Amino acid sequence: NAGVTQTPKFQVLKTGQSMTLQCAQDMNHNSMYWYRQDPGMGLRLIYYSASEGTTDKGEVPNGYNVSRLNKREFSLRLESAAPSQTSVYFCASSAYQTDTQYFGPGTRLTVL
Amino acid sequence: AQSVTQLGSHVSVSEGALVLLRCNYSSSVPPYLFWYVQYPNQGLQLLLKYTSAATLVKGINGFEAEFKKSETSFHLTKPSAHMRDAAEYFCAVSVTPGNNRLAFGKGNQVVVIP
Repeated sequence: NAGVTQTPKFQVLKTGQSMTLQCAQDMNHNSMYWYRQDPGMGLRLIYYSASEGTTDKGEVPNGYNVSRLNKREFSLRLESAAPSQTSVYFCASSAYQTDTQYFGPGTRLTVL
Repeated sequence: AQSVTQLGSHVSVSEGALVLLRCNYSSSVPPYLFWYVQYPNQGLQLLLKYTSAATLVKGINGFEAEFKKSETSFHLTKPSAHMRDAAEYFCAVSVTPGNNRLAFGKGNQVVVIP
């Protein structure tokens, strides 16, 4: 049982480049989330998907897009990366209405 | 909107001493409250959660937290710190019970001094 997996673990981009962060869960959870973690800021919600086929903006959605590809997979896309998007990105999932979220290991992204 | 406040970004504690991390929440409705731990270079793991059952919640690794409605608090404690407790700890509140969205505090980095 792998839980929540994320790829890649590390990535370096140049300003203006695009990339997609992948996330998959094998717990049959309905809800999935993308957060970013910055020093002294805690975790901030970028986007979430309450169930397959739905996505909603979180606290800091600007510069990002998401796709809930199926129940297992939820990807985060940066269309034109900026240095302000240098961060550690975490994907999480939860069963519907239980509120406990399970986190992946994170992707450390640096934008030069 | 619901939120949590964690004061003191860095907390130093001697090995064997009490660990106390403070969390205060704001909520207009009964909240669900969580403590997560993040070890270096890892994702977050659930330590414990409060969902309106017993006010004293026991979690993993000897941690516990007490929900006090009158003080709007959910402080995390452990009687005796171990070196392995060095990590970052986050308090979180459910934005609306049952809709799965969480608001996180800014975290406490715990340093354990031998």
